[in-house]
Amino acid sequence: DQQVKQNSPSLSVQEGRISILNCDYTNSMFDYFLWYKKYPAEGPTFLISISSIKDKNEDGRFTVFLNKSAKHLSLHIVPSQPGDSAVYFCAASRGWSNYKLTFGKGTLLTVNP
Amino acid sequence: EAQVTQNPRYLITVTGKKLTVTCSQNMNHEYMSWYRQDPGLGLRQIYYSMNVEVTDKGDVPEGYKVSRKEKRNFPLILESPSPNQTSLYFCASSLENTGELFFGEGSRLTVL
Repeated sequence: DQQVKQNSPSLSVQEGRISILNCDYTNSMFDYFLWYKKYPAEGPTFLISISSIKDKNEDGRFTVFLNKSAKHLSLHIVPSQPGDSAVYFCAASRGWSNYKLTFGKGTLLTVNP
Repeated sequence: EAQVTQNPRYLITVTGKKLTVTCSQNMNHEYMSWYRQDPGLGLRQIYYSMNVEVTDKGDVPEGYKVSRKEKRNFPLILESPSPNQTSLYFCASSLENTGELFFGEGSRLTVL
């Protein structure tokens, strides 16, 4: 039973355009969500997070939106850059504690020059 | 430099030969965890530790053991590896109750 779903295995966008990566979750107890970025041959790195008390969190070019009623979150990257090409993992947990962090399968983003 | 260090980075072994993947962090983090990444399955948690001598199972603990005798170290032990444990393994750490996990660079294990 996959509790965190990233239904798009890959996404390709042009440099300078917006990238939108989507994530759905089924467990209504999740209230803390994170995005990680992973380059080949490296470990994932934390990108941005959002608590369920918010519906938006912004950090530079990265914005995460949370729609609790739809159990959906999205990561927007504006403008996209070739260096953003990586696998993006959505993750969720119950509360701020990350002891039981559930990850999605990831979406490979390719930003073309 | 703050980091999580895993060893070995690459290992090919045979079924049944016990092995240990070491993990060490230099950030004085309380929380440490092991994940495996498999194609089409994303990252799945194997075991985690909230502090020294405190460990608990994640989602896929079968076939693995861990120990946390020191705060900085969290080794992953495969007592009798099998081919279905062929995977890319990541160790991670964080301060208690923060969302930001720091991951190691990964250990690619092949069990023949």
